[in-house]
Amino acid sequence: EVQLVESGGGLVQPGRSLRLSCTASGFTFGDYAMSWVRQAPGKGLEWVGFIRSKAYGGTTEYAASVKGRFTISRDDSKSIAYLQMNSLKTEDTAVYYCTRDFPTYCGGDCYVDYWGQGTLVTVSS
Amino acid sequence: EIVLTQSPATLSLSPGERATLSCRASQSVSSYLAWYQQKPGQAPRLLIYDASNRATGIPARFSGSGSGTDFTLTISSLEPEDFAVYYCQQRSNWPSFGQGTRLEIK
Repeated sequence: EVQLVESGGGLVQPGRSLRLSCTASGFTFGDYAMSWVRQAPGKGLEWVGFIRSKAYGGTTEYAASVKGRFTISRDDSKSIAYLQMNSLKTEDTAVYYCTRDFPTYCGGDCYVDYWGQGTLVTVSS
Repeated sequence: EIVLTQSPATLSLSPGERATLSCRASQSVSSYLAWYQQKPGQAPRLLIYDASNRATGIPARFSGSGSGTDFTLTISSLEPEDFAVYYCQQRSNWPSFGQGTRLEIK
């Protein structure tokens, strides 16, 4: 069974940093691109960024709203994806979902076939 | 950036009725469009990908159609568990979602 479990969310002041982790199980983690998608309270979905599998170079892409502040990385040996969030703003407040991208050959711009349960990040003073 | 516009914003129907949800792209996305269902307090669930392919385990009452800029999600006969918010998503360019259609019980 595919499982994605996020951790690391919480309350943080504007300008500070936070790192989210996503621990995956039930599939060969290294074969898939992974993404982070967020949802502000009562709002729609926004793709934050993704990291390609090593087969596609392991490179990353980010939404304009977070580029230069957020960094996605992965540790295939531990089946963990990370989202490092720096210089946080109040508008970054959202539930952050770790997702498995689909299909495996998409290489980056993908759909999502599995979602974690989400972790809430609240940016407030 | 490709903008997806969903209509209507809210759809009020009764169980057993047919639901038709629309998603329009600001430029062609070929057939690179998916539909997701989200219930309160839950993560979204993939229903349809590549415009018309049902994801694993999705009931046959869900179907998708369209290509280019105009897409439709159809639920042939609504079950009580189908009342939720539905999002379309394109992967032709930087992935983006529509703003959602809320399907509520009439």
